Amino acid sequence: AQSVTQLGSHVSVSEGALVLLRCNYSSSVPPYLFWYVQYPNQGLQLLLKYTSAATLVKGINGFEAEFKKSETSFHLTKPSAHMSDAAEYFCAVIHILTGGGNKLTFGTGTQLKVEL
Amino acid sequence: GAVVSQHPSWVICKSGTSVKIECRSLDFQATTMFWYRQFPKQSLMLMATSNEGSKATYEQGVEKDKFLINHASLTLSTLTVTSAHPEDSSFYICSATTGYTGELFFGEGSRLTVL
Repeated sequence: AQSVTQLGSHVSVSEGALVLLRCNYSSSVPPYLFWYVQYPNQGLQLLLKYTSAATLVKGINGFEAEFKKSETSFHLTKPSAHMSDAAEYFCAVIHILTGGGNKLTFGTGTQLKVEL
Repeated sequence: GAVVSQHPSWVICKSGTSVKIECRSLDFQATTMFWYRQFPKQSLMLMATSNEGSKATYEQGVEKDKFLINHASLTLSTLTVTSAHPEDSSFYICSATTGYTGELFFGEGSRLTVL
């Protein structure tokens, strides 16, 4: 079964600094991986997804992630943090269900704090 | 992009009553909808998967008689929390997908508080 592990439940960076949120996956088949962002009391918004095309995936709001099979990682990065990036970030992997359909499994989340 | 709407966003109810939360795909037909539960400062826990016209598939440990899910059409799924108790208080989020490896679109979430 596919799963993801997010290292670090809280990450704090200074405004303008590099953002690095870590995600490692476990999968017996080529995975489809996602990063979502959640602002307080809201649903989830897709930042980016990896679906076995380019290993470097660019998403919204300046975020990108690189799929590294050798490291089973899919870390999320942003060159320069902005105050508005403060939110909860979830890494997720998709299961393709027998007979069709899919199911998404989330990591435990990383709370990003951006300080002045 | 595709829009998924949940209603109500906030609901407060008395213990013992039932509460219904709706999840609608506004501009696409959702072959599959998912219901998640999220406790404060925690990740999303998948409760059940529902396909239009068929019974929902519940995850292990989720009481199907407690959390009734109906997916009557390709644009509407409902979650009914029956005989709600304070421990059912949580943030419930639905998501919908259009197909086999389609992107999941999330609703805004519904916060349930049971007094």
